[in-house]
Amino acid sequence: GESVGLHLPTLSVQEGDNSIINCAYSNSASDYFIWYKQESGKGPQFIIDIRSNMDKRQGQRVTVLLNKTVKHLSLQIAATQPGDSAVYFCAENIPNYGGATNKLIFGTGTLLAVQP
Amino acid sequence: GAVVSQHPSRVICKSGTSVKIECRSLDFQATTMFWYRQFPKQSLMLMATSNEGSKATYEQGVEKDKFLINHASLTLSTLTVTSAHPEDSSFYICSARPLGVARGYTFGSGTRLTVV
Repeated sequence: GESVGLHLPTLSVQEGDNSIINCAYSNSASDYFIWYKQESGKGPQFIIDIRSNMDKRQGQRVTVLLNKTVKHLSLQIAATQPGDSAVYFCAENIPNYGGATNKLIFGTGTLLAVQP
Repeated sequence: GAVVSQHPSRVICKSGTSVKIECRSLDFQATTMFWYRQFPKQSLMLMATSNEGSKATYEQGVEKDKFLINHASLTLSTLTVTSAHPEDSSFYICSARPLGVARGYTFGSGTRLTVV
């Protein structure tokens, strides 16, 4: 099956600081991207998404930036809180080709550790 | 909002036995459901895509005879791990896409399978 990466990098930040989590995606045809938060033993939780015709989208305390030239996504979390501690994944939607369905492929996760 | 229920949340089985995992969309119809596998500290790996009423599409390297997928209705897909071995121990997660929505994905809470 498809997947990207076998390592889990860690980002450690102080409570109240801003966090930036980066992700490289693989397919230049991907048309939609999603950031997920995953806590231990749980399924992924939607945070924010962005379509490929945009380069920035803001939500509550979160911002996603998309750079299609270098196939790079970032997630910015403002005023990081201890409750933000989790693993964060980017995912890319690969459009259907020749009748196959769209599918969502996950990138390498990042463990965000927020120090109080 | 869209809710996907996955059952069981945890299962322990003996080597050589088969285990069935259910994925239900509770408040929407899903023509397409996805099955992922996740090893500790790793990303989610797409195993297969199931479409209601037709055969599942498996990702490269995933054994279709070992991981049987059935999507008999618009609200239920099942994954059966046949003749389970300890190396099949993993976290299995399903995702469902609502009817008529090209890029919406809702995830279940996952099933922790331990084969002893």
